[in-house]
Amino acid sequence: EIVMTQSPATLSVSPGERATLSCRASQSVSSNLAWYQQKPGQAPRLLIYAASTRATGIPARFSGSGSGTEFTLTISSLQSEDFAVYYCQQYNNWSIFGPGTKVDIK
Amino acid sequence: QVQLVESGGGVVQPGRSLRLSCAASGFIFSGCEMHWVRQAPGKGLAWVAVISFDGSVKNYADSVRGRFTISRDNSKNTVYLQMNSLTGEDTAVYYCARDEGSGWYGVSWGQGTLVTVSS
Repeated sequence: EIVMTQSPATLSVSPGERATLSCRASQSVSSNLAWYQQKPGQAPRLLIYAASTRATGIPARFSGSGSGTEFTLTISSLQSEDFAVYYCQQYNNWSIFGPGTKVDIK
Repeated sequence: QVQLVESGGGVVQPGRSLRLSCAASGFIFSGCEMHWVRQAPGKGLAWVAVISFDGSVKNYADSVRGRFTISRDNSKNTVYLQMNSLTGEDTAVYYCARDEGSGWYGVSWGQGTLVTVSS
């Protein structure tokens, strides 16, 4: 079974700063990787699929990159509404989510 | 607009059963694969099951295979999750989600329904 890891577990960032979140797969998942944002009490929201394609309505400050086993989600300039937990998910072989990265206010 | 509305959650004793429903609207339901994903309190997301657009293919996470059954009724735009032999480890918010046929990622999600397994 593919294991997904995310780092760091918590990222403290000031508004307006850049945030870089990492996701690693234990074996290649090609580009079959998605990123989600989840706020407390809310359902997950799809941000990125196919490693780098923004979902409908997602602001351009969110970007995804990577392939194989190493992936990155970058938020270019954090807005107040971006403080949340971010999950990656591989869907190359079944569906496995990473443990999440919490982005909080520095 | 796309809406997914889950129902059927509640408190259930260990070993008992529960059926969740997810009513869909705002898209062509019969053209979409549908998923159930759960989230234990304070924990991350865990995929549970998926059903093909016509209901002919179903896949399950190892943790629920043999106990849970996913089904759908395209005439009612509804997907179901029958959960049997429940244990405390099944306590979670259960979300339904749809994909668009290009991969098992959730394009749209419901708000979830809480299942608590407790005596």
